[in-house]
Amino acid sequence: GQNIDQPTEMTATEGAIVQINCTYQTSGFNGLFWYQQHAGEAPTFLSYNVLDGLEEKGRFSSFLSRSKGYSYLLLKELQMKDSASYLCAVRDSNYQLIWGAGTKLIIKP
Amino acid sequence: DAMVIQNPRYQVTQFGKPVTLSCSQTLNHNVMYWYQQKSSQAPKLLFHYYDKDFNNEADTPDNFQSRRPNTSFCFLDIRSPGLGDAAMYLCATSRGDGDYNEQFFGPGTRLTVL
Repeated sequence: GQNIDQPTEMTATEGAIVQINCTYQTSGFNGLFWYQQHAGEAPTFLSYNVLDGLEEKGRFSSFLSRSKGYSYLLLKELQMKDSASYLCAVRDSNYQLIWGAGTKLIIKP
Repeated sequence: DAMVIQNPRYQVTQFGKPVTLSCSQTLNHNVMYWYQQKSSQAPKLLFHYYDKDFNNEADTPDNFQSRRPNTSFCFLDIRSPGLGDAAMYLCATSRGDGDYNEQFFGPGTRLTVL
């Protein structure tokens, strides 16, 4: 079967750095997405990786290793508004998105 | 601004009473998706349309149906809602299936079944 694993919840301090990991087992791979979802709201796109390596976009970076079936989202200089769930999603060989359940990130002052 | 719009934002229905959720988009995207998301769970794909080609996920209950009368609009019909159908329903669009095509989400409709 297809599976996306991410930690259920993480806590970090304002101003710090946090890394949210995602491991996946899918039938084929056509890219990995990270989305941010605030409570009660729709997911919003953060990043896309299809080749191995690090993609940096401001305070957020995303890393991919296809051989290991592994990605992480790195958030720097954390702000209170970064409190949200972060969902990892992999596009499989049929170009369908397989979603993780999300990691709830709690930021403390 | 180009966007994905869902109405209503909050819908209350009674057990067994049919309900229709609507989605419209001004992005002119080819693909539209309906997801069901329950608290602290991954979004679950119910249907998607590539233009007018309808794709039903294998495990989508028969109680759920969808219509896409034109490029801009898509509807989700729940024929006989049960308590287990209470969830957030998300509509999303993308330009196409291939390559780099992120999905753009509407704000969602939260369905309550009494």
